[in-house]
Amino acid sequence: DQQVKQNSPSLSVQEGRISILNCDYTNSMFDYFLWYKKYPAEGPTFLISISSIKDKNEDGRFTVFLNKSAKHLSLHIVPSQPGDSAVYFCAASDPNSGGSNYKLTFGKGTLLTVNP
Amino acid sequence: KAGVTQTPRYLIKTRGQQVTLSCSPISGHRSVSWYQQTPGQGLQFLFEYFSETQRNKGNFPGRFSGRQFSNSRSEMNVSTLELGDSALYLCASSTRRGNEQFFGPGTRLTVL
Repeated sequence: DQQVKQNSPSLSVQEGRISILNCDYTNSMFDYFLWYKKYPAEGPTFLISISSIKDKNEDGRFTVFLNKSAKHLSLHIVPSQPGDSAVYFCAASDPNSGGSNYKLTFGKGTLLTVNP
Repeated sequence: KAGVTQTPRYLIKTRGQQVTLSCSPISGHRSVSWYQQTPGQGLQFLFEYFSETQRNKGNFPGRFSGRQFSNSRSEMNVSTLELGDSALYLCASSTRRGNEQFFGPGTRLTVL
């Protein structure tokens, strides 16, 4: 049972254009969502997050949108740069998962390729 | 501030052996979580430790275990290795109840 889904395994865009990465979730208890970027042979790097009480969070070229009713979030990168080429993981946090640091449930990732 | 470090970076073992992986969190971070990354399953949560106690556990068999020391460093152990255990094992640290987890580079385990 995959609670966080990234249905597009890959995405290719031209430099300077917008990249839109999508993520769907099924667990209505998730209250915090994060995007991580991962380069080969490196660990995931935190990119941007959003709380369920918001519908938008912006940080420079990166914006995350949350649609709670649709259980959908998306990451927009504008403008896209070749250095953005990486695997992007969507993750969700459930405050009822117990523990001292809420367990993160990850999607399987989307490989973004930005072509010069 | 130094990041999360993991040792070793690469490991090759044979079926039936056991392995121990090490993780040193960011200074001041007391929560350490472990994840397994495989091509087919993405990142899957293994367990989380805080103050030397396991606080949360994922859906993995008992062959997977871990511990945390008083200095917050953590180790995970996999006994009786199987071919399917080949994966990238990632450690992440955070402050207590912080939602941003900072990942190490991972240990690439290959089981032959």
